[in-house]
Amino acid sequence: AQSVSQHNHHVILSEAASLELGCNYSYGGTVNLFWYVQYPGQHLQLLLKYFSGDPLVKGIKGFEAEFIKSKFSFNLRKPSVQWSDTAEYFCAVNALTGGFKTIFGAGTRLFVKA
Amino acid sequence: GAGVSQSPRYKVAKRGQDVALRCDPISGHVSLFWYQQALGQGPEFLTYFQNEAQLDKSGLPSDRFFAERPEGSVSTLKIQRTQQEDSAVYLCASSLAGTGLNEQYFGPGTRLTVT
Repeated sequence: AQSVSQHNHHVILSEAASLELGCNYSYGGTVNLFWYVQYPGQHLQLLLKYFSGDPLVKGIKGFEAEFIKSKFSFNLRKPSVQWSDTAEYFCAVNALTGGFKTIFGAGTRLFVKA
Repeated sequence: GAGVSQSPRYKVAKRGQDVALRCDPISGHVSLFWYQQALGQGPEFLTYFQNEAQLDKSGLPSDRFFAERPEGSVSTLKIQRTQQEDSAVYLCASSLAGTGLNEQYFGPGTRLTVT
């Protein structure tokens, strides 16, 4: 069965620190990959997605993620976080042969200290 | 509408009661998903509709859970004889295309507490 693993459940950073959130998935076939974010009091929303092509994808608010197929990873990065990046981040995977099911990781809560 | 809406936002049910949770997707969106999110976990897939057709219900945890989307727009998730383990946030999401591969737009969720 497909699964998504997010390595850190809670991350605390100071403003201007660099961020990397790990995400690994278990599925050997072709996948579509997503990062969703939930800001306090708001709905889940898409941060970025990878379908094909350049494995380095850029999303909103300066976030980027790199798909490394050999490592089954899709880590999220941002060079310099801001207080407004405080949120919960979810990695998600859809396997092209897995029907319509999107599998989410357990999430990482990021707190950025001002 | 401007986004996906869900009602009620909060529901408290006594164990054994039936509940119905409503989702209004973005107008024109073909795909509709239901997820269950337990405390401290990510959303867990329940079921998927393409227009009025329920194409995947593999995530429904038991036959107490039933979902419908009779006219291809509004959807209802019904839980019969609620149990304490059903306590969770139920999320609805919609997407424009008729596949599961595009961006999903999420609603605010319904927080169900079973006492």
